Amino acid sequence: KQEVTQIPAALSVPEGENLVLNCSFTDSAIYNLQWFRQDPGKGLTSLLLIQSSQREQTSGRLNASLDKSSGRSTLYIAASQPGDSATYLCAVFLLNSGYALNFGKGTSLLVTP
Amino acid sequence: DAGVIQSPRHEVTEMGQEVTLRCKPISGHDYLFWYRQTMMRGLELLIYFNNNVPIDDSGMPEDRFSAKMPNASFSTLKIQPSEPRDSAVYFCASSWGTGRGYTFGSGTRLTVV
Repeated sequence: KQEVTQIPAALSVPEGENLVLNCSFTDSAIYNLQWFRQDPGKGLTSLLLIQSSQREQTSGRLNASLDKSSGRSTLYIAASQPGDSATYLCAVFLLNSGYALNFGKGTSLLVTP
Repeated sequence: DAGVIQSPRHEVTEMGQEVTLRCKPISGHDYLFWYRQTMMRGLELLIYFNNNVPIDDSGMPEDRFSAKMPNASFSTLKIQPSEPRDSAVYFCASSWGTGRGYTFGSGTRLTVV
């Protein structure tokens, strides 16, 4: 079974800092990897989708990288803002394990003014 | 597009009662997924459908849970009888084909007292 681990579990940073969230997975036979954001009491909002053939994806202040060989992905947030405070979830889509995403437990981010 | 629509947003019920959660996927999407989220276990896949057919229900916790997808625009998740340990947030998600990312609904917060 694919294990998806996110470190750290929680992170608090002052506004303006650049930060990196980490995601690791045990099975390198992934089809793609998706980063989500979840606000308290809300659903999941897709941030970035990286196909297995890609090394990174960018959207605004967000940049996600993928290294299949080492089983790692990072989400880089530039110039953090209080509005970035949320839980960030990493999910892996496997090639040979059905069509379901395997989720990490998330990193809870707090950006203080 | 209105996105994936779930109802109700909140449900409080007494132990032993039947609960039905509803989901309308994005038009044109051919995969539909039901997930459950708890603090302890994170996001867990319960069941998923492809073209209205259940493909993998191995995540359904027990026979008290059942899911149907009578047509491409509607799915239900039913719990009968409900128990306090079923209290969680239940998410529905849909996607078009594989590898194109998922879209999640806002979830149904279920409380069984």
